[in-house]
Amino acid sequence: GAVVSQHPSRVICKSGTSVKIECRSLDFQATTMFWYRQFPKKSLMLMATSNEGSKATYEQGVEKDKFLINHASLTLSTLTVTSAHPEDSSFYICSARGPGLGRNEQFFGPGTRLTVL
Amino acid sequence: KQEVTQIPAALSVPEGENLVLNCSFTDSAIYNLQWFRQDPGKGLTSLLLIQSSQREQTSGRLNASLDKSSGRSTLYIAASQPGDSATYLCAVMGAGNMLTFGGGTRLMVKP
Repeated sequence: GAVVSQHPSRVICKSGTSVKIECRSLDFQATTMFWYRQFPKKSLMLMATSNEGSKATYEQGVEKDKFLINHASLTLSTLTVTSAHPEDSSFYICSARGPGLGRNEQFFGPGTRLTVL
Repeated sequence: KQEVTQIPAALSVPEGENLVLNCSFTDSAIYNLQWFRQDPGKGLTSLLLIQSSQREQTSGRLNASLDKSSGRSTLYIAASQPGDSATYLCAVMGAGNMLTFGGGTRLMVKP
């Protein structure tokens, strides 16, 4: 199947700093990428959907000025957590889909564990 | 708004048992339903994907069924092994290619 990578896999930062997480599709062109957040022992919650070359669509309750999403190319989307606080500590997972893949199928990255001190 | 529920939330069984995980969803207008496995601190591994026109999918010891009209799916695991211990997530894809996840079932298979 199609491969999606995330970098970094784990990051620890101080409160108030910004953190950038990368999501890459390695062997296909991802026209759409999705960002999810998962709190401990909870399920995945969709944060935003980004289409290449256009602004991301955020889910209700997700602050777009805090979680900046850029999808500038067909293989890379970035999520920047600005002015991170301890409550932003979570597991962030991206997924991607594109033409030529299975119908309506998304492929998931391995996730990024963010810990804000 | 689509809601996905998984029952049970946690399950502990002895090795060798056959088991069934349940998933229900409120809006039957879905494109597909997918079962994932997630190990602690890891990402998602796709197990089975059932398109809305299909009734079931099988892969090895796993069998997933879909009854779209009643909003239900089951994941059947035959002859469970300790290596099957993980959290199993059910997700449905609806309008806008958005996935809605259930809360998951944490499975522990004891040797």
